[in-house]
Amino acid sequence: DAKTTQPPSMDCAEGRAANLPCNHSTISGNEYVYWYRQIHSQGPQYIIHGLKNNETNEMASLIITEDRKSSTLILPHATLRDTAVYYCIVRVANRKGGKLIFGQGTELSVKP
Amino acid sequence: NAGVTQTPKFRVLKTGQSMTLLCAQDMNHEYMYWYRQDPGMGLRLIHYSVGEGTTAKGEVPDGYNVSRLKKQNFLLGLESAAPSQTSVYFCASIPDGGPFTGELFFGEGSRLTVL
Repeated sequence: DAKTTQPPSMDCAEGRAANLPCNHSTISGNEYVYWYRQIHSQGPQYIIHGLKNNETNEMASLIITEDRKSSTLILPHATLRDTAVYYCIVRVANRKGGKLIFGQGTELSVKP
Repeated sequence: NAGVTQTPKFRVLKTGQSMTLLCAQDMNHEYMYWYRQDPGMGLRLIHYSVGEGTTAKGEVPDGYNVSRLKKQNFLLGLESAAPSQTSVYFCASIPDGGPFTGELFFGEGSRLTVL
């Protein structure tokens, strides 16, 4: 599975969009991008995933560049409850076993 | 349906003592994982299992052993605890069948302190 690189921390004003970047320059053609977040010391929670098209759900939007070497998770209207560590993972979708590496993640602080 | 249960939730050990963390899931999941999380750090994979009777090393396997004798249980053992193993330990499982949708089931974590 491809390695990912994320900034260690980011700040965002409440009500504004939070844009969290992730670099995955060694991603393979059959690897998806998955995003999770971890609030306080709970287990990580799934947010969204995608292959090459942009994706949106009730929680967030995922923008993947055309060359698929980077992606951005967008929280359109960040709230204080979105303060968490956000992890970007790349993984082959049709292989459910094997390593699942989270990395360091980005600590997002949403401020009033 | 209890999901993923970790025991114990808290434990204090002295250097050199041994202990076992138990992860139990009642969802018949095939894949199970043990992670550790140090303060201010991300999750690091210790060991994982792709099925009953199988285990494999993750990113930081040294000092730990695991066993998956029954499909529902994944045990993490520390044979001789060291202060560097002070951490919060998380167990996770993935449903089998079909593509990976991102869905992960985590336990509540086990906080281990080694003095």
